[in-house]
Amino acid sequence: EPEVTQTPSHQVTQMGQEVILRCVPISNHLYFYWYRQILGQKVEFLVSFYNNEISEKSEIFDDQFSVERPDGSNFTLKIRSTKLEDSAMYFCASRNTSGRSHEQYFGPGTRLTVT
Amino acid sequence: AQSVTQLDSQVPVFEEAPVELRCNYSSSVSVYLFWYVQYPNQGLQLLLKYLSGSTLVKGINGFEAEFNKSQTSFHLRKPSVHISDTAEYFCAVSVKSGGSNYKLTFGKGTLLTVNP
Repeated sequence: EPEVTQTPSHQVTQMGQEVILRCVPISNHLYFYWYRQILGQKVEFLVSFYNNEISEKSEIFDDQFSVERPDGSNFTLKIRSTKLEDSAMYFCASRNTSGRSHEQYFGPGTRLTVT
Repeated sequence: AQSVTQLDSQVPVFEEAPVELRCNYSSSVSVYLFWYVQYPNQGLQLLLKYLSGSTLVKGINGFEAEFNKSQTSFHLRKPSVHISDTAEYFCAVSVKSGGSNYKLTFGKGTLLTVNP
């Protein structure tokens, strides 16, 4: 069964550094998402991406964040200058637009630790 | 704006006992409802979903949920739990947010702990 993959599984970085989190969505999916889960808190929507552009973003997704689909398979989240409060689990998800499917398929997550 | 409330942050139960995890939502538009499970150190796995039709939906691992529009609830149930059901359970609503885009809004989660 096809699945969403994410790399790395765990990233440790120093405050102020740039990080890029990578995701490979399911191949025939057209909508892509990033969510974040700070330890002990709920999963929060960050951004959705469709047709090579952001379709919606939350107030969390400020100028420090950017997303890109650099080739036909990868979907990346970049944080330009990490802060301590960016420490969280970051989940990528993808969705097919065909039919009535509203299910988003999630990857296993990348745990980002900012020190 | 939509929101999801999971009333219980932790639910401890004994093995083979029934369990109900509560979820209420608020939305001014039609919603699609989901339950996801997160096992320790893993990602989110879909348990079940309600899109339309029968209000009782069955999912994986013996779980089921009932959509109640008048009470704006989507409680998750299992008649007999196993130790392996120990996990965090998240209720989520999906609302159309523009074009054909849907985003998920999650509740805070309920930690189900099944004890022997």
